[in-house]
Amino acid sequence: DIQMTQSPSTLSASVGDRVTITCRASQNVNSWLAWYQQKPGKVPKLLIYKASSLETGVPSRFSGSGSGTEYTLTISSLQPDDFATYYCLQYDSYSSYSFGQGTKLEIK
Amino acid sequence: QLQLQESGPGLGKPSETLSLSCAVSGAFISSSNCYWGWLRQPPGKGLEWIGSIYYNGNIYYNSSLKSRVTISVDSSKNHLSLELTSVTAADTAVYYCTRLSVTGHFDSWGQGTLVTVSS
Repeated sequence: DIQMTQSPSTLSASVGDRVTITCRASQNVNSWLAWYQQKPGKVPKLLIYKASSLETGVPSRFSGSGSGTEYTLTISSLQPDDFATYYCLQYDSYSSYSFGQGTKLEIK
Repeated sequence: QLQLQESGPGLGKPSETLSLSCAVSGAFISSSNCYWGWLRQPPGKGLEWIGSIYYNGNIYYNSSLKSRVTISVDSSKNHLSLELTSVTAADTAVYYCTRLSVTGHFDSWGQGTLVTVSS
């Protein structure tokens, strides 16, 4: 099974900051990588799929990049609504999916 | 518009079998471009993939749960089902029904149903 390691686990930042969250896979996932945002008590929301494709309706301050085993989610200028927990998901194989452990983005 | 609505017992006892259902509206569950999955999230913890089912009948399970999980589709009711046997407190979680996009990521989610396993 592919293991996903997300870093950092917690990130403190201020409104307007540029932040980056990283996900490393234990093997090549061929850009089959998605990012989700989850707020307390809410359903996860899809932000990015196929490593860098922005889901419809998601603000352009969110972007994804990477290839092979290393991927990043970048928020170019943090807004108050962005403080949440973020998860990566690898879906390279239909028979085995795995999430990162999550990154909690907190207000500094 | 696609809507997914999970339902379940809310509370279960250790060693029992947990049965959950997901009512699908806005899409035909057995159509060739529809794939479905179950995920879960223990309170205060991260997301875990349980398994996925495809229109061709192929079903895949998380290896850590494979011996206890069954996912199925009832086309007549347009429902997705999950059965988890021999539950323990570690199975306490919010269980989500999801749709997979044609490329494989989860693009629609139900609101989730909390299942607590306790004696």
